[in-house]
Amino acid sequence: GAGVSQSPSNKVTEKGKDVELRCDPISGHTALYWYRQSLGQGLEFLIYFQGNSAPDKSGLPSDRFSAERTGGSVSTLTIQRTQQEDSAVYLCASSLQPGNTEAFFGQGTRLTVV
Amino acid sequence: AQKITQTQPGMFVQEKEAVTLDCTYDTSDPSYGLFWYKQPSSGEMIFLIYQGSYDQQNATEGRYSLNFQKARKSANLVISASQLGDSAMYFCAMREGLGGTGGFKTIFGAGTRLFVKA
Repeated sequence: GAGVSQSPSNKVTEKGKDVELRCDPISGHTALYWYRQSLGQGLEFLIYFQGNSAPDKSGLPSDRFSAERTGGSVSTLTIQRTQQEDSAVYLCASSLQPGNTEAFFGQGTRLTVV
Repeated sequence: AQKITQTQPGMFVQEKEAVTLDCTYDTSDPSYGLFWYKQPSSGEMIFLIYQGSYDQQNATEGRYSLNFQKARKSANLVISASQLGDSAMYFCAMREGLGGTGGFKTIFGAGTRLFVKA
């Protein structure tokens, strides 16, 4: 696609339910990043993929959070047993290669846990 | 420990004037990259400018320039001739591990909200 695509754009879920957030990076981009942005805050790094492997998972807040990437393309961020503090905008970005190239961001998924 | 510090939560600038947004960083990795992103109220993140730790010259992209002072670990963004459309949140970011051993994790500062006055 022309840009990074994230779905859904908005998700409202009940506390305790599981949610899946999808990211479709720019075709050919090998690096993929997930970030979380709470209201009025900066971006919090969650996880980074190089191809299908995740060399750095250090930002995942708890074991309720997991992510995978298949075929070197689409990535899914899963949050199990959602809590109210999980409410935030989840941003995905991709870059042609890791390192010094710019990352292109998707529009984000706004998650609201009620 | 805070690795990226943006000390100005909010800044005002008159249209057509220049403005400097501050950013300091902390790293022991000799290979790193510094980025600035703009986030308008629509929420999208727009890449503005990049500076590599080994770059000798300060990066420039149109009206944006990065004042890179390596010894002071600062990477301030200068916007010349401000326009009303520049009103947005601005984030400084750093990516460590460009030497190939790291995870290329990019960390962001808390941001500076810029208001351009007509």
